[in-house]
Amino acid sequence: DGGITQSPKYLFRKEGQNVTLSCEQNLNHDAMYWYRQDPGQGLRLIYYSQIVNDFQKGDIAEGYSVSREKKESFPLTVTSAQKNPTAFYLCASMGKESGANVLTFGAGSRLTVL
Amino acid sequence: AQSVTQPDIHITVSEGASLELRCNYSYGATPYLFWYVQSPGQGLQLLLKYFSGDTLVQGIKGFEAEFKRSQSSFNLRKPSVHWSDAAEYFCAVDYVNTGFQKLVFGTGTRLLVSP
Repeated sequence: DGGITQSPKYLFRKEGQNVTLSCEQNLNHDAMYWYRQDPGQGLRLIYYSQIVNDFQKGDIAEGYSVSREKKESFPLTVTSAQKNPTAFYLCASMGKESGANVLTFGAGSRLTVL
Repeated sequence: AQSVTQPDIHITVSEGASLELRCNYSYGATPYLFWYVQSPGQGLQLLLKYFSGDTLVQGIKGFEAEFKRSQSSFNLRKPSVHWSDAAEYFCAVDYVNTGFQKLVFGTGTRLLVSP
C-alpha cells in the first residue's frame, strides 16, 4: 500500500545536538512538507519542497534544515539553533485527488529534548 | 493574511448525539476546504474535502460538511456520534491564488465523547 513512513516514532535528544527525522513516501508525489504541531497551535509549516533538489522555507524555518535529493525522501534536521525543539513533527506529501490537491500525512515523530 | 478559525477548543458530546464542529475562514474567493481527523499520537487523516459543486459534501466515517459562502464557513457534522469519534479535528483551507498551493490549518477542536 502507498503511504508515508516517518522514523523514528519517538526520539530523545540532549540540548546542543542535531537530530534528523526521516520521511519516505511511495506515492510518487512531487510535493512534500514538514509541519510542526504543538498543543493548542495546530500545524505550522516548517519547510516544503515542490520538486527534487528544490525546497522553500515555511512559516517557522529557523533552526531547521532539509534536503530533497530523491523524490521519495525529504529528511528534516532539527539543529541546535532551534530554541524549543520539543514537539510532534508531521511529514506530508501532496497529490491530486478528484482534481484537488490533497495532503497525505505520515504518523509523525515525537521529539523530546532532555 | 488568510486565516482559519475553529472557535471551539474542546467539545463534549454524548454518544449517539449529533455533532457540529465550526470552521470559518477569511478570504474573498472560494478556496478549497478540508477536514482532517487526528487520533492521539497519530498523523492526520482526511475526512472530506470541498472544491466545487454541491455545497454539502459527504466524507468517511459518516461525516458531512456544508460550505456556506455567505458565512465563510465549512462546518463539520455527524448525526450520531460514536465513542470511536473521540479525536482532534482540524479544518484546513487551500488558498489557490497564493502562487503555491499549501494548506492553512485551524488550531483544532478536541472532541470528547461521554457515555
